[in-house]
This record gives sequence, structure tokens and C-alpha cells, in this order.
Amino acid sequence: SQTIHQWPATLVQPVGSPLSLECTVEGTSNPNLYWYRQAAGRGLQLLFYSVGIGQISSEVPQNLSASRPQDRQFILSSKKLLLSDSGFYLCAWSVPTGTGELFFGEGSRLTVL
Amino acid sequence: GQNIDQPTEMTATEGAIVQINCTYQTSGFNGLFWYQQHAGEAPTFLSYNVLDGLEEKGRFSSFLSRSKGYSYLLLKELQMKDSASYLCAVRDWGGGNKLTFGTGTQLKVEL
Repeated sequence: SQTIHQWPATLVQPVGSPLSLECTVEGTSNPNLYWYRQAAGRGLQLLFYSVGIGQISSEVPQNLSASRPQDRQFILSSKKLLLSDSGFYLCAWSVPTGTGELFFGEGSRLTVL
Repeated sequence: GQNIDQPTEMTATEGAIVQINCTYQTSGFNGLFWYQQHAGEAPTFLSYNVLDGLEEKGRFSSFLSRSKGYSYLLLKELQMKDSASYLCAVRDWGGGNKLTFGTGTQLKVEL
């Protein structure tokens, strides 16, 4: 069966510090991968998605970046965090064909102070 | 772009039936999804509609009318554990199977 894991689960970072969130998927090949952010009291906002290794599409301008160095690995990064980067970050995967529902990781709660 | 609207909050009684509505506007509709999200947790998939009509899955059913840009999620025999946020999401014909989510409906089930 397929599983998705992301880490760390919780982190508190000072403004201006770097960020790295990692996500891995097991049990499937060539998945579509996604990073969403959920700010307090707001909906899920798509940040990045990837349909293959090295292929990254950005949905909103921001100081975050994403990379996909391997087929089932998706990384979210920042060189300098802003207060507005605080939120609940969710990695997700989907099968490129079929109904295409998203399966989410456990989430990473980021607080920038 | 896409615009998705759903009520912010709803309250219902244990054992009752509740209907959560979602309206959407999109340039190229290619499926509507419902997710459940408990506080502090990740969303979990509930249902998928791409054709008009009702999809039933146990206590949960989802309806779609593409001509009206309208869907609802019906929850029967409500249980306390159904207290959660319910997210409506729409996919369009753009690449990548991307889903655009509404802000969610917070459902509170009371005794």
C-alpha cells in the first residue's frame, strides 16, 4: 500500500532563518506531488506541484522554493523565513491518471517568531 | 481562476442528517472532491463526483450538478466524531491534477 510521510511535524523558527521540509512517498511510482499551506482560519493554498523529477510549478509568488531530487521525494525550502510563512504545511500525492484524489501527509506546523 | 463558496460553520444534533453545500465557478470543470479534516490533522478523502448525480458511500453521500455549479455533502446518522471541517475542492482541466479548495465548513455535532 502507498504511504506518505513528511517531517518535521512541528518547528519554531526565527525570522530570517532557513527552512527545509521533506516529504517522501512509498509504494507508488511517478506520483504527482504537491505542497499546500493552510494558514490559521483559512483554506488550503497550493504552493507548488510537480509531475516528475526536477519539474516544479509554482502557483503563488513567495519566498519559498521546492525541489524534487528523486521520484518520490519532495522538499520545500526557504532561505529566509518571514512571519507570514507561519502555517500548517501539507505534502500530498496523487496518481497522474484516474480520479486523481490527493492523499496528504501528516502535516508540518511552522511557527515563525 | 476558480471560486468556491461553502458555509463557514454548521451545527447539528447527534443522530440527525446534515447537508453541507458548495458552489463553485471554474473555467474547465474536471471533478469535485470532498475532504474531512479534524483539528490539527491532515485532510482525508471522502468522495469524488465528476458526473451529475448522487454518489453514496456508507453514511456519506455527495451530489453534483455541473450546470448549476453546485454540490452538497450529506452526512446521515451523525456521530460526535463527525465534528470536523469539511472541505470542498474542484479540479479543472489544467495540468497536474491540481485541486483548489474552499475554506471549509466547520461542523459541530452536539448531543
